[in-house]
Amino acid sequence: AQSVTQPDIHITVSEGASLELRCNYSYGATPYLFWYVQSPGQGLQLLLKYFSGDTLVQGIKGFEAEFKRSQSSFNLRKPSVHWSDAAEYFCAVGARGYSTLTFGKGTMLLVSP
Amino acid sequence: GAVVSQHPSWVICKSGTSVKIECRSLDFQATTMFWYRQFPKQSLMLMATSNEGSKATYEQGVEKDKFLINHASLTLSTLTVTSAHPEDSSFYICSATFMGNSYNEQFFGPGTRLTVL
Repeated sequence: AQSVTQPDIHITVSEGASLELRCNYSYGATPYLFWYVQSPGQGLQLLLKYFSGDTLVQGIKGFEAEFKRSQSSFNLRKPSVHWSDAAEYFCAVGARGYSTLTFGKGTMLLVSP
Repeated sequence: GAVVSQHPSWVICKSGTSVKIECRSLDFQATTMFWYRQFPKQSLMLMATSNEGSKATYEQGVEKDKFLINHASLTLSTLTVTSAHPEDSSFYICSATFMGNSYNEQFFGPGTRLTVL
């Protein structure tokens, strides 16, 4: 069974500073990987996804993530954080042939002025 | 494309009543729909998976008689919380996918906040 670990429960970043949110997964084969963002009281919005090919994927809102098979990681990055980026971020993993996703516990991003 | 809506966005009910939440795929045929529950400041917990025209598959620990799921058409799934109690208060989110989507991508609704008094 697959699993996802987001080691940081919350992170505070100054506006304009760079951001990296960590995600480690456990899965025997090449997984499908996703990052979602959730604003308070809202549903989930897909930021980006990785299925195969280029290990650096670009997403919406200036986010990118890099798949590193050797480290079983799929960390999310943004070069310059905006106050509107404050939200909860979830990493998720899917397995080929199965329709369900496994979510990490989420990382709350706080942006300080 | 791939828009999912939920109705209502929030609902308050008295203990002992039943509440129905609708999940609709607006611009695609949802062959599979998922229902999640999310407690404050926690992750999404998958409750059940439903395929159109079939009975839902519930995750371990989820009471199927308590949370009735119906996926009668390719664009609509409903979750009915029967005899709701305060501990059922939560944020319920649905998602959907379609046949031919081989990458497990799910499209999420905006969620429904249920408060049971």
